[in-house]
Amino acid sequence: DAGVIQSPRHEVTEMGQEVTLRCKPISGHNSLFWYRQTMMRGLELLIYFNNNVPIDDSGMPEDRFSAKMPNASFSTLKIQPSEPRDSAVYFCASTLWENTEAFFGQGTRLTVV
Amino acid sequence: KNEVEQSPQNLTAQEGEFITINCSYSVGISALHWLQQHPGGGIVSLFMLSSGKKKHGRLIATINIQEKHSSLHITASHPRDSAVYICAVRSDKLIFGTGTRLQVFP
Repeated sequence: DAGVIQSPRHEVTEMGQEVTLRCKPISGHNSLFWYRQTMMRGLELLIYFNNNVPIDDSGMPEDRFSAKMPNASFSTLKIQPSEPRDSAVYFCASTLWENTEAFFGQGTRLTVV
Repeated sequence: KNEVEQSPQNLTAQEGEFITINCSYSVGISALHWLQQHPGGGIVSLFMLSSGKKKHGRLIATINIQEKHSSLHITASHPRDSAVYICAVRSDKLIFGTGTRLQVFP
C-alpha cells in the first residue's frame, strides 16, 4: 500500500477563498483523523471518523471548517472562507481501528495570504 | 497546566548515547502514542501502548498506568534519530504533548 495520501502537498491561497484538502487513507483502515499543526499550538486533532461517520468534531475551530468522508477511501477538509490564521500544516492519519497505530500522510502546508 | 507534559523540551546527545524522553499525563487514558516528526515534517507513528513495554529495533517504549507516565528510550543513538518526538494520549480525545526536539551529533 502507498500509505496515507494527501493532496495537495502545498497550497497558497488568498484570504476569503475556499480551500479543499484531500486524504486517501490506507485501504482497509476504518478510522480517519484530521490534524492541524502550528508553531504556536503544536498538533491538534480537528475531527475523526469511524467507518465514514464523524465521531468527534470538537476540535474543529469554527463553522468555516467542514470535513466529509463520503466513502472509505476518501475524505476532504474544507475551509470556507479561509483566513491567514488558518495557515498551518494539515495532516491526515488512518488506523485500522480507533485505538491502533496511526499512519500519517505527508501533510498539506497551507498558506493563506 | 497541560494535560500531557513532555521532558525535556530539547535534548542534544553524542552519537552512541542512551537517550530517554519522558511523558507524564494527568487524564485517564485508553492508549498512549509515541510519534516521530523529522525536519522535513513527516510524522511516523513509533508505538501505541496501553500497558507494559514495547521494543522496535533500538527504540523501547514503556508505560506505567498507575503513575501516568511513559518513557521512550533510544539505545546507541545515531544522527538520523534527530527529530521531534511527540507523546499523545487518548482519553475522550487525542491530546498531544508539545514534543521533545532531539539532536544527535556525530
